[in-house]
Amino acid sequence: DQQVKQNSPSLSVQEGRISILNCDYTNSMFDYFLWYKKYPAEGPTFLISISSIKDKNEDGRFTVFLNKSAKHLSLHIVPSQPGDSAVYFCAASISANTGNQFYFGTGTSLTVIP
Amino acid sequence: DSGVTQTPKHLITATGQRVTLRCSPRSGDLSVYWYQQSLDQGLQFLIHYYNGEERAKGNILERFSAQQFPDLHSELNLSSLELGDSALYFCASSVVSVGTNEQFFGPGTRLTVL
Repeated sequence: DQQVKQNSPSLSVQEGRISILNCDYTNSMFDYFLWYKKYPAEGPTFLISISSIKDKNEDGRFTVFLNKSAKHLSLHIVPSQPGDSAVYFCAASISANTGNQFYFGTGTSLTVIP
Repeated sequence: DSGVTQTPKHLITATGQRVTLRCSPRSGDLSVYWYQQSLDQGLQFLIHYYNGEERAKGNILERFSAQQFPDLHSELNLSSLELGDSALYFCASSVVSVGTNEQFFGPGTRLTVL
């Protein structure tokens, strides 16, 4: 059962415009959400995260929005640059007393067109 | 470079065989996580070790086992291999067990079962 879903496998955006990547989840126990970026032949790289007690977190060109009632989060990249072209994974975690369990989406491939 | 190393980079083996994947975490990181990424799938969380102890388990098959050694490196053992075990296996590390969720991923080991 896929508890974290990224329903758009791919997205193309013009350079300079906004990229919006979406993610939906089903488990209300998730207390932390993260976005990772992955280039071919490399491991994922952490991008930005948000705690479930917040609804927005911003880091430079990257902003993550969390809508807990809709169980939805999104990553906004403004302005988009060609170097942002990569696969973006949404992830969610449940923090237990002893360790974390992580759940990843299937990824969205972003292409930023120069 | 995330500081996490994984060996080997590629592994080709036959069904029914057993393999061992190795991971060295970033210096100072006590937590090691293992993930499996099959074709067209997101990352599936397998298991989390912290300072030598198992802390959380995900969708890890009984044919798979892992351990973390006193020097903090970790090994993932896959036995009685099946064609469906062909995947990318990622290791990630983080500083603590609970409360920080940023993980640093290695480049992965690509396993092909023929």
